[in-house]
Amino acid sequence: SQKIEQNSEALNIQEGKTATLTCNYTNYSPAYLQWYRQDPGRGPVFLLLIRENEKEKRKERLKVTFDTTLKQSLFHITASQPADSATYLCALDPGSGYSTLTFGKGTMLLVSP
Amino acid sequence: GAVVSQHPSWVICKSGTSVKIECRSLDFQATTMFWYRQFPKQSLMLMATSNEGSKATYEQGVEKDKFLINHASLTLSTLTVTSAHPEDSSFYICSAMKRGYQETQYFGPGTRLLVL
Repeated sequence: SQKIEQNSEALNIQEGKTATLTCNYTNYSPAYLQWYRQDPGRGPVFLLLIRENEKEKRKERLKVTFDTTLKQSLFHITASQPADSATYLCALDPGSGYSTLTFGKGTMLLVSP
Repeated sequence: GAVVSQHPSWVICKSGTSVKIECRSLDFQATTMFWYRQFPKQSLMLMATSNEGSKATYEQGVEKDKFLINHASLTLSTLTVTSAHPEDSSFYICSAMKRGYQETQYFGPGTRLLVL
């Protein structure tokens, strides 16, 4: 069956360090993968999209990698700040051709000052 | 920007009543809108996909007669939870796709529904 797995335990790091979150998937051949940020009681906010033929994408302090052989994406936040504390969701297009997204459960990131 | 609004942001209702939730794209035309449901500490679960002017496509296990979706215009979709029961209590989130940008979804702030 198809699965998207993100670390279920919260990731606690200190301000200024780099946070690395993992998204693994099985039985998918996604055309692209996306990362979203979700704050408590709010809808997700789009951060980055990476296509299957791209290895890495950057946006300010964010970096995403996509390894279709390992079926894994890594999401990095450099120079992390307490304001980065949130739940981060990975989502992928299941390849059905209907532009729908399947989401992982998300990993909560806590950045302490 | 791409702003999506939802109304109401929260609603409490009695069991057996119907509740309508609106989703609007404020500064763009949305050819496709999606409705999700999210339970605490769970992922977003897609309920249905709707395209303007056509019937919604429901995901497996979602009752179309219970969750009525109307995508009346390029900026408005509504979800009506009919005869709501306590198990329908959840966080309902809509998203919209911009015309010509068929990959990124822009999400609304969500609607918290509590059925007593």
